[in-house]
Amino acid sequence: GAVVSQHPSWVICKSGTSVKIECRSLDFQATTMFWYRQFPKQSLMLMATSNEGSKATYEQGVEKDKFLINHASLTLSTLTVTSAHPEDSSFYICSAREAQGNGELFFGEGSRLTVL
Amino acid sequence: QKEVEQDPGPLSVPEGAIVSLNCTYSNSAFQYFMWYRQYSRKGPELLMYTYSSGNKEDGRFTAQVDKSSKYISLFIRDSQPSDSATYLCAMSVSGNQFYFGTGTSLTVIP
Repeated sequence: GAVVSQHPSWVICKSGTSVKIECRSLDFQATTMFWYRQFPKQSLMLMATSNEGSKATYEQGVEKDKFLINHASLTLSTLTVTSAHPEDSSFYICSAREAQGNGELFFGEGSRLTVL
Repeated sequence: QKEVEQDPGPLSVPEGAIVSLNCTYSNSAFQYFMWYRQYSRKGPELLMYTYSSGNKEDGRFTAQVDKSSKYISLFIRDSQPSDSATYLCAMSVSGNQFYFGTGTSLTVIP
């Protein structure tokens, strides 16, 4: 299947700093990428839908100024957690749908953020 | 009512058993159905993809979609300890928006 790479897989930062997470589709073009947050032993919580070349669509309750999403190319979307606080500590996962695909959705490996 | 319902388990089976995982859904317009396996601290891995109704088999895994009953299943034959993971079902109408089950935690005991 198609490969989605997410980086970094693990990051620890101090409170108040910003952290950028990258999501790349390695062998296909993705017009749409999704960003999720996952708490321990819980399912995926959709944060936003990222469309190449346009503004991301955020889910209700997700602060767009806190979680900045940029989808500048067909293979890269980034999530920046700005002024991170300990409550932002979580597992963040991206997924991508192939532009010319048949509806399959592929996930990155996830990024574990710990804010001290 | 949630769009997708999935029993969270946990489910424990002995090695070699046949495992049956299920999801029900309410939106009859869903036509893309997927099963993912997620190991702890990893992203979900696509196991099976089915478009519309029917069965699909891949090795020890079989996915079934019954649109009349709004019910999908994943069967794992000859289960192995390495199959121990959380299994998520997912569905979509057009591939633009996806709905996920809560995941079923499976443990295969050697």
